[in-house]
Amino acid sequence: VQLVESGGALVQPGGSLRLSCAASGFTFSRYSMNWVRQAPGKGLEWISYIAGSDNTISAPIKYADSVKGRFTISRDNAKSSLYLQMDSLRAEDTAIYYCARVHAFFDYWGQGALVTVSS
Amino acid sequence: QSVLTQSPSVSGAPGQRVTISCIGSGSNIGSVYDVHWYQQLPGAAPKLLIYNNKNRPSGVPDRFSGSKSGTSASLAITGLQAEDEADYYCQSYDSSLSSYVFGTGTKVTVL
Repeated sequence: VQLVESGGALVQPGGSLRLSCAASGFTFSRYSMNWVRQAPGKGLEWISYIAGSDNTISAPIKYADSVKGRFTISRDNAKSSLYLQMDSLRAEDTAIYYCARVHAFFDYWGQGALVTVSS
Repeated sequence: QSVLTQSPSVSGAPGQRVTISCIGSGSNIGSVYDVHWYQQLPGAAPKLLIYNNKNRPSGVPDRFSGSKSGTSASLAITGLQAEDEADYYCQSYDSSLSSYVFGTGTKVTVL
């Protein structure tokens, strides 16, 4: 199993950015996927979830209140890829963004993509 | 802010035993939801250490053990080694928030 994030960059406040996560080594479409972020020197914060085909009980998409209405999670099962569209970015969105595969626990993580929001 | 509370730091000499606590509430740990633990080495991504309260993924040494009781959980490291110096996070699910939740994190220092 391998998860590789890309798309991290320096962006101005109010700007937009799209992160990608390329998955390999497993049947991507079956698994629910998430984005988790970590601000500099801070702890882990779950921010978004998107269901896989094996999920039968949970809502298909969820967001943390901190990003709801600004971030959009999506997936392309044909490309085994996960995405996070981030709009109206704020300084407090500065963090390393990890994609992670989930059961009830996050069993595989990517190496992370650094997003810096600053003027 | 995190709904799972951990002590900020613990330390121990090589070979000693340390424990990390994770305190939640009735809508997460105290409910039907399991607790999972992650190890984050400096500059690295988190790694699953314990799942479903007490189970170790393949490759995780049996020096690491987990337990859950009531609204709290614990991670124990026995025979502490220099390579165990890292940040540790607990994680569960919260029914009130309808979201996954992480603990505040504990830094383990090997003296």
